[in-house]
Amino acid sequence: AQSVTQLGSHVSVSEGALVLLRCNYSSSVPPYLFWYVQYPNQGLQLLLKYTTGATLVKGINGFEAEFKKSETSFHLTKPSAHMSDAAEYFCAVSRGTGRRALTFGSGTRLQVQP
Amino acid sequence: DSGVTQTPKHLITATGQRVTLRCSPRSGDLSVYWYQQSLDQGLQFLIQYYNGEERAKGNILERFSAQQFPDLHSELNLSSLELGDSALYFCASSVSGSRDTGELFFGEGSRLTVL
Repeated sequence: AQSVTQLGSHVSVSEGALVLLRCNYSSSVPPYLFWYVQYPNQGLQLLLKYTTGATLVKGINGFEAEFKKSETSFHLTKPSAHMSDAAEYFCAVSRGTGRRALTFGSGTRLQVQP
Repeated sequence: DSGVTQTPKHLITATGQRVTLRCSPRSGDLSVYWYQQSLDQGLQFLIQYYNGEERAKGNILERFSAQQFPDLHSELNLSSLELGDSALYFCASSVSGSRDTGELFFGEGSRLTVL
């Protein structure tokens, strides 16, 4: 079975500071990994995904994440936080393609202080 | 706009009642997934349909059921509602075939409040 652990249910950073949201996964097969963002009263939007190939993936809004197999991690980073980044972020894992449901972490709420 | 449409956006009902949530997937997507998001449980996978057939089941209660119709829209039926069923219910769809990268496309959700 797959699982995802997001460390820190709340993260607060200052505007312009580095954003680091942590995600560790467990999977018995090579995983497909995703980060989704949820703004208040909205659905989930894909930020970025890792399937195969390059382990450093870039997403929308300046976010990126690195797949580290040895650490079973897929941490999300952004060099400089913006007020508009305040939202809830979810890490998710899949056993691959082929119409498979995603397993989500519990989410991390990011606050950006002015 | 993800292309996934959910109705209704908000629903308030009483305990013991039954409701139906509707989802229209993105054009061409054959798979539909239902998720429940609540404060205490987070995002929980309920059930998945592919081209009209049940594909996978998650933490779906027996009081809940779903189906996918020939036109590929899906409905989630919740019955004998309890206070604890109050949550945001998301529908998602995914691409099939060679374009499939495992990504799910989410609707904006249906917020159910049980009083």
